[in-house]
Amino acid sequence: DIQLTQSPSFLSASVGDRVTITCRASQGISNYLAWYQQKPGKAPKLLIYAASTLQSGVPSRFSGSGSGTEFTLTISSLQPEDFATYYCQQLDSFPLTFGGGTKVEIK
Amino acid sequence: EVQLVESGGGLVQPGGSLRLSCAASGFTFSSYWMHWARQAPGKGLVWLSRINSDGSSSTYADSVKGRFTISRDNAKNTLYLQMSSLRAEDTAVYYCGRDSEVRGGVIDCWGQGTLVTVSS
Repeated sequence: DIQLTQSPSFLSASVGDRVTITCRASQGISNYLAWYQQKPGKAPKLLIYAASTLQSGVPSRFSGSGSGTEFTLTISSLQPEDFATYYCQQLDSFPLTFGGGTKVEIK
Repeated sequence: EVQLVESGGGLVQPGGSLRLSCAASGFTFSSYWMHWARQAPGKGLVWLSRINSDGSSSTYADSVKGRFTISRDNAKNTLYLQMSSLRAEDTAVYYCGRDSEVRGGVIDCWGQGTLVTVSS
């Protein structure tokens, strides 16, 4: 199975900050990676797929990059509604796997 | 509006069985692959299973293979997860999700989840 390691697991930031989350895959997965946002008690929400393609309706302050084994999710200017947990997911092969999550909290 | 609504969760004893349902609306259900995933309390997301659009093919995570069965009824726009030999570690919120048309494996719409608690 492909393992995904997210870092950091916890991040404290202020409104307006630029935030970067990293996801590393245990083997190359080309650009077969998605990012999700999850708020407490809610279902996950798709943000980005194919490593860098923004899902329709997602604000442009979110961006993704990377290929192979290293990927990043960047929030250019953190907004109050962005405080949540973020997960990466690999789509390269079954079983599909998720990273352990990065919780973004208010500083 | 695309909507997925799970039901069927609840309290079940270890070794017991439960069937979850996921009612779909707002899209052509029979055209999409579908997934189940779960999230244990305070933990991360775990993918469980997927089924193709006509129900002829399915894939499972090792943790549930042989115990869980995914199925669908396209006439009823409903996805199912039959769970048996349940263990305490199966306690989680279970989500159904729609596979994206743009790339297989991307889940572009999720239900609100249904809680399954396995305990005596």
